[in-house]
This record gives sequence, structure tokens and C-alpha cells, in this order.
Amino acid sequence: EADIYQTPRYLVIGTGKKITLECSQTMGHDKMYWYQQDPGMELHLIHYSYGVNSTEKGDLSSESTVSRIRTEHFPLTLESARPSHTSQYLCASSETQGIHEKLFFGSGTQLSVL
Amino acid sequence: AQKITQTQPGMFVQEKEAVTLDCTYDTSDQSYGLFWYKQPSSGEMIFLIYQGSYDEQNATEGRYSLNFQKARKSANLVISASQLGDSAMYFCAMREGPKNDMRFGAGTRLTVKP
Repeated sequence: EADIYQTPRYLVIGTGKKITLECSQTMGHDKMYWYQQDPGMELHLIHYSYGVNSTEKGDLSSESTVSRIRTEHFPLTLESARPSHTSQYLCASSETQGIHEKLFFGSGTQLSVL
Repeated sequence: AQKITQTQPGMFVQEKEAVTLDCTYDTSDQSYGLFWYKQPSSGEMIFLIYQGSYDEQNATEGRYSLNFQKARKSANLVISASQLGDSAMYFCAMREGPKNDMRFGAGTRLTVKP
């Protein structure tokens, strides 16, 4: 099955800190995504990438930024965390952008900003 | 406008019985893909089943089947012989053009009673 990893699994930090959520996949997928999900709610696409050096913003406005320097790595950074950033962040990838392509998800990072 | 609608915030089913989770979608595309994911309390997203808009037969995967009614734009998930481990959030999702990004519904929380 899928090999996509997110670290850390849980993160509790204070307001104003800079944080980076890591996401790596070993499947060689070009397409990678970040979704934000509040507890028990729907997933919102906040960033995506179609390949190296390609990043785009998703539907939901986010103060986070992403980079894609290597195919396997798609980190998400918050320069100054705030309590409103408290949420679960899910990273995903797919082999292509075809309509039939399922997403493979990581286990998620649960972020709490105090 | 909401692309994916799941009208049942919560559902209960008795163990060993079948349950249907509703999903309707909105698209003007002729070509699109429909997906169902399961999210246990641990937070990861598990792919269950896929239906393409051109598929004439309803998709089935073990105890999961998708009741696809194209004219009604509905893609309901049917779980047969419910098990306690089926208790989770269930998300309906769709890929459509031009970017084919995957969009999710608000989810249905299923609880299986012993």
C-alpha cells in the first residue's frame, strides 16, 4: 500500500513560533496535496503541487507556505503560528491528476497552537 | 457552491445490518470520478471505493458498494453486514475538471451498535 509519511504526528506550540510540517512519499508521485481539516469536518485543499518547483494555492486561503524542491518531499511552513491555525493537516499524493486517481494520505499532523 | 453534499451528519446501524450513506454531487462535466474514504478516530484517510462517471455498473469492493445514479447525481455508499470496526467518519469526494482536484463532502459519522 501507500508509503506517505507525515511528521510530527502531534504538535503543541506557542503563538508566534515558526513551524514546518513534514511530508514525504516514496512512490515517486508527481502530484502532492495539503488538506486542512477541523475536527469532524470536511477536508479543505490548501496547497498542491504538480511536480518539482510547482506549487499552487488551493480553495481555502491559508497563511501557510509550501515548497517542492524534491519529488518526494512537500513540507508546509507556518512563519508565525496562531491559535486559529489549530487543526489537522493531511498530506496526500497521487500518481497522476486523472479523474480516476485516488489519493494516498499520510497519517496527518494534529497541530495545537496555544 | 457546495460540490459534494452529505446530508447525514450522523448515522447509527446495528451490527450485521446494512447501511446506506448518502452523497449527492454537482458538476457540469461529463467526465468525473467519485470516491469514498473512511476516517477512523486515529485520523488517517482510507480509500474504500471508486466510481467513474462512464462506468455503467455500480462499483463493489468486498462489503462496500456504490449505488451510482447518474441522472440524480447521487453516489451513495452501501456497507453490508456492518462490523464494529466500521464506526468512523465517511467522506464522499469527487474529481472533476479542469484541474481534477479532489473535493470532499462534510462527512457522515457512522456508529455501529453491538
